[in-house]
Amino acid sequence: GESVGLHLPTLSVQEGDNSIINCAYSNSASDYFIWYKQESGKGPQFIIDIRSNMDKRQGQRVTVLLNKTVKHLSLQIAATQPGDSAVYFCAENGEGLTGGGNKLTFGTGTQLKVEL
Amino acid sequence: EAGVAQSPRYKIIEKRQSVAFWCNPISGHATLYWYQQILGQGPKLLIQFQNNGVVDDSQLPKDRFSAERLKGVDSTLKIQPAKLEDSAVYLCASSRTSGGISIGELFFGEGSRLTVL
Repeated sequence: GESVGLHLPTLSVQEGDNSIINCAYSNSASDYFIWYKQESGKGPQFIIDIRSNMDKRQGQRVTVLLNKTVKHLSLQIAATQPGDSAVYFCAENGEGLTGGGNKLTFGTGTQLKVEL
Repeated sequence: EAGVAQSPRYKIIEKRQSVAFWCNPISGHATLYWYQQILGQGPKLLIQFQNNGVVDDSQLPKDRFSAERLKGVDSTLKIQPAKLEDSAVYLCASSRTSGGISIGELFFGEGSRLTVL
């Protein structure tokens, strides 16, 4: 069964440094992945997505890397700012886009703390 | 463009009471989702609608939870009777549809925080 995850993995970085948040997924059928940012008291907010036919995608200050061989996803944030402090979730579409659309399964999340 | 609207933002009830949450998705989004997020965990899908039909409710505790989207726009999630373990944030999300399949990212509302005493 699921454990009560009151103690999220935490990543502390200095302002201006780069952050790397990692995520392992288990379903080899997943073909679409999304990173979400969730600030306290708010709903998850889309950051960046990637399809399984890609291994890298870049956005503004963010890069997502996908390694299908080891089922690993990472989010890199360049020049981390205090406003980046939040919980970050990776999500996978385990049934594939042709299997019924976007039915996302979320990971546990990582708390990012930016120190001034 | 207005985002996903949810109400109420906060609700405190005693166990065995009932509660209802309302969601209005982004205009034009045919697919609507209800997720449950327990403190310290990622959101867990409860039910997915496409227009007014249920796509997936396999993780909805049907003995106490019900949801409807009668006109294919806004939706209501009800819990009756509530248990202590139902304390969580209930998130509504919506996404676009193309060719009858939901595509792209999910847009989430701010959530409804439920505390069951």
